[in-house]
Amino acid sequence: GNSVTQMEGPVTLSEEAFLTINCTYTATGYPSLFWYVQYPGEGLQLLLKATKADDKGSNKGFEATYRKETTSFHLEKGSVQVSDSAVYFCALPSQAGTALIFGKGTTLSVSS
Amino acid sequence: DAGVTQSPTHLIKTRGQHVTLRCSPISGHKSVSWYQQVLGQGPQFIFQYYEKEERGRGNFPDRFSARQFPNYSSELNVNALLLGDSALYLCASSPGVSSSYNEQFFGPGTRLTVL
Repeated sequence: GNSVTQMEGPVTLSEEAFLTINCTYTATGYPSLFWYVQYPGEGLQLLLKATKADDKGSNKGFEATYRKETTSFHLEKGSVQVSDSAVYFCALPSQAGTALIFGKGTTLSVSS
Repeated sequence: DAGVTQSPTHLIKTRGQHVTLRCSPISGHKSVSWYQQVLGQGPQFIFQYYEKEERGRGNFPDRFSARQFPNYSSELNVNALLLGDSALYLCASSPGVSSSYNEQFFGPGTRLTVL
C-alpha cells in the first residue's frame, strides 16, 4: 500500500535560517501529496498540497515540489520565523482513497 | 463559520472502561474521519463515514466502533480500554469521500488518558 517516510527530528534553527524537511513516498500511480502542520495544542492544518507531478504547492512562504523521478515532496522555506515552530507531517491518500497516510512528523523549533 | 468541533477536550478513564467521543463536522460536509495520534507519531486512520455509511476502516481492533448521524455528526466508541489507547483522537471532515480531491479539515482533538 501507499506509504510515506519523512526525516526524523527535531530540527532546531535560528530565525531567518533556511529550512528543508525531507519526505519520500511509495504509491501506486501519482496521488496528491500534502504537508500538514500541527501547532502546539492544536489539530492539524493543511499547509500546502500538490496534485500532480512537477506541481509546486506553496503557502505562507513554504514550498514543496512533487518530484515523481525521486518520489519526493520535500518542504522548504527560505527564512523561518519563531512562529513556524510546530510539527510538520507529510501525507498522501491511501490506495483506497478514503484515508490519509501520515509520516511520523518532524518537530521544528525556531529560536530568535 | 465554525470549524470541526470535538468533545470532550480531555478525558481520563481507567482500563476496561468504555468511552464515547463526539465530532461535529463543518456545515455542508458529509464525510467524517477519525484518526488516532499517539504521542510522537503521525495520525493513524481509524474510520471514515460518508452519508452515514462506513467507507473505510483502518487496522484497529473491534473494540473501536463509530457511527454517523443524519446531521452528519459522528461518535467514536472504544470498549474495554487499554493503556495503549491513550492518545489524541482527531476528527476530520470533508465535503466528499476521496482524500485526494477533498481537503480534510481537522478538529482540535480529544486527549484520552487511560490509567
